[in-house]
Amino acid sequence: GENVEQHPSTLSVQEGDSAVIKCTYSDSASNYFPWYKQELGKGPQLFIDIRSNVGDMKDLRIAVTLNKTAKHFSLHITETQPEDSAVYFCAASYNFNKFYFGSGTKLNVKP
Amino acid sequence: GAVVSQHPSWVICKSGTSVKIECRSLDFQATTMFWYRQFPKQSLMLMATSNEGSKATYEQGVEKDKFLINHASLTLSTLTVTSAHPEDSSFYICSARVSGLGYEQYFGPGTRLTVT
Repeated sequence: GENVEQHPSTLSVQEGDSAVIKCTYSDSASNYFPWYKQELGKGPQLFIDIRSNVGDMKDLRIAVTLNKTAKHFSLHITETQPEDSAVYFCAASYNFNKFYFGSGTKLNVKP
Repeated sequence: GAVVSQHPSWVICKSGTSVKIECRSLDFQATTMFWYRQFPKQSLMLMATSNEGSKATYEQGVEKDKFLINHASLTLSTLTVTSAHPEDSSFYICSARVSGLGYEQYFGPGTRLTVT
């Protein structure tokens, strides 16, 4: 089955700095790569996603990149704000049937 | 937007009893629902996939007789933890998806189960 690895496990940045979280996956058939944001005691919420036929995605301060050859994808948050503090999970899926999650990154944005 | 609810949000039960957790899609019909388990400071582990009207498909290592899943309607799936033990204590999260419409999973808020 698919194996998704995520780094780092914790990330502390100063407000206004950038944060980068990286994930690798093992199954070359995976074609959907969502990122979820989870706040304490709540379920994950879709943050941003990328599909392998779309290429890089960007939305204001958030960008995701995908390298299918190397089988890794990453989340970039620029101009971080304290409200960005949360746990972020990457995931990989083949045709949206099953989602395999990374181990999570706890992002702490210090004001 | 699509909303998924879970009930209860937290439950404490005694060892040996059974607990039922409900997962509802409030404003859409979910042909597929997923059940996850999450340990503190760890990732989500897929337990099973359920499609409306058919038997759930369990992931390897998940006991189907212990974690009973029923997806009786397009808006409701239930997870019953039978004969609960302290090691079953965890955060259980469901998600729902509508096939053919965006494929996005919508997660519920989770249920914290504590078995004493």
